Amino acid sequence: GAVVSQHPSRVICKSGTSVKIECRSLDFQATTMFWYRQFPKQSLMLMATSNEGSKATYEQGVEKDKFLINHASLTLSTLTVTSAHPEDSSFYICSARVATSTDTQYFGPGTRLTVL
Amino acid sequence: RKEVEQDPGPFNVPEGATVAFNCTYSNSASQSFFWYRQDCRKEPKLLMSVYSSGNEDGRFTAQLNRASQYISLLIRDSKLSDSATYLCVVIRGGYQKVTFGIGTKLQVIP
Repeated sequence: GAVVSQHPSRVICKSGTSVKIECRSLDFQATTMFWYRQFPKQSLMLMATSNEGSKATYEQGVEKDKFLINHASLTLSTLTVTSAHPEDSSFYICSARVATSTDTQYFGPGTRLTVL
Repeated sequence: RKEVEQDPGPFNVPEGATVAFNCTYSNSASQSFFWYRQDCRKEPKLLMSVYSSGNEDGRFTAQLNRASQYISLLIRDSKLSDSATYLCVVIRGGYQKVTFGIGTKLQVIP
């Protein structure tokens, strides 16, 4: 399957700081990338859909000014959690849509964010 | 009603058993369906796509029932390594709406 990388895999930061997470498609070009958040024992919740060269589409209840998404190229999307607070601590996972016959998405390994 | 519903389990089954999970969806406009597997504290990995005609991959069979709006996953001859959480994913509007189920936890016991 297609390979998606995510960096960093784990980050611990102080409350009030900003954290940037990178998502890269390594062996294909992804016109669409997705950002999810998963709290313990809960399902993945889609935060936003990111299309290359255009503004991200945010799901209801997700603050676009707090979760900044930039999709500058066909292989890179970034999520910046601005002024992070402890309640932002979660597992953030990106995925990239592969426009093949199955039209599915492949996930990065995730970033575990802990805000102290 | 949630757009996608799954029994969270856990399903505890002995090795070699056959186990089946269902996932119901509420929006009849849903277009694409997938099963993913997620191990603890890891990212989901694609298991298989789901079609009305059925899709089989080794010990795994997935089925879509549009009339009753559910998808199913059947695992035959369960292995210890099958222990994981199985997530169903429902997509509509050409990926404009992506919804994950809460996942069904499977524990295969020796």
